[in-house]
Amino acid sequence: GESVGLHLPTLSVQEGDNSIINCAYSNSASDYFIWYKQESGKGPQFIIDIRSNMDKRQGQRVTVLLNKTVKHLSLQIAATQPGDSAVYFCAEIRAYKYIFGTGTRLKVLA
Amino acid sequence: EAQVTQNPRYLITVTGKKLTVTCSQNMNHEYMSWYRQDPGLGLRQIYYSMNVEVTDKGDVPEGYKVSRKEKRNFPLILESPSPNQTSLYFCAAGSDEKLFFGSGTQLSVL
Repeated sequence: GESVGLHLPTLSVQEGDNSIINCAYSNSASDYFIWYKQESGKGPQFIIDIRSNMDKRQGQRVTVLLNKTVKHLSLQIAATQPGDSAVYFCAEIRAYKYIFGTGTRLKVLA
Repeated sequence: EAQVTQNPRYLITVTGKKLTVTCSQNMNHEYMSWYRQDPGLGLRQIYYSMNVEVTDKGDVPEGYKVSRKEKRNFPLILESPSPNQTSLYFCAAGSDEKLFFGSGTQLSVL
């Protein structure tokens, strides 16, 4: 049968452009959030995290923004590279209770 | 290098034949957990462990068992596998709620 995974939301970005991947979370009590990157055939890889007492955190080429008012999280990737092609998903956490999103597939166009 | 190691990477078995998927971590993390990943459903938690000899059910524990006799190991046991347990399985370990994942075990139950 058809794989539902093929119907993941897809974001196609030109190499060198910035990417913005969004995530709506469900639990207003969640106080910790993580973005993961999952390449085909591999386990989820930790990218960046943010606590609920912050609204922005920056890493190397990545920035996470948190808007608690609308329960929205975004991941910004600067100067997107071919190696950034993967599925990205967010996790919301409270007291070791994890809720994972299904993800967005990022395709980097040459 | 911090690692979560799962074995085997791929496993094909038949209905009813007991199997164990091993997981070990070299980071001295107290928290470990098992997830299954199915297309369109994201990661679902099977069991977790907050420390040695402390385990608890996650969201989809039916048909699975775990043990945590020592800090570094957290095996997943399927006493009588069924075809609906065909899935991609991930072990994770972490502290302060920051989770790191293994590379995954693709299980097929015929």
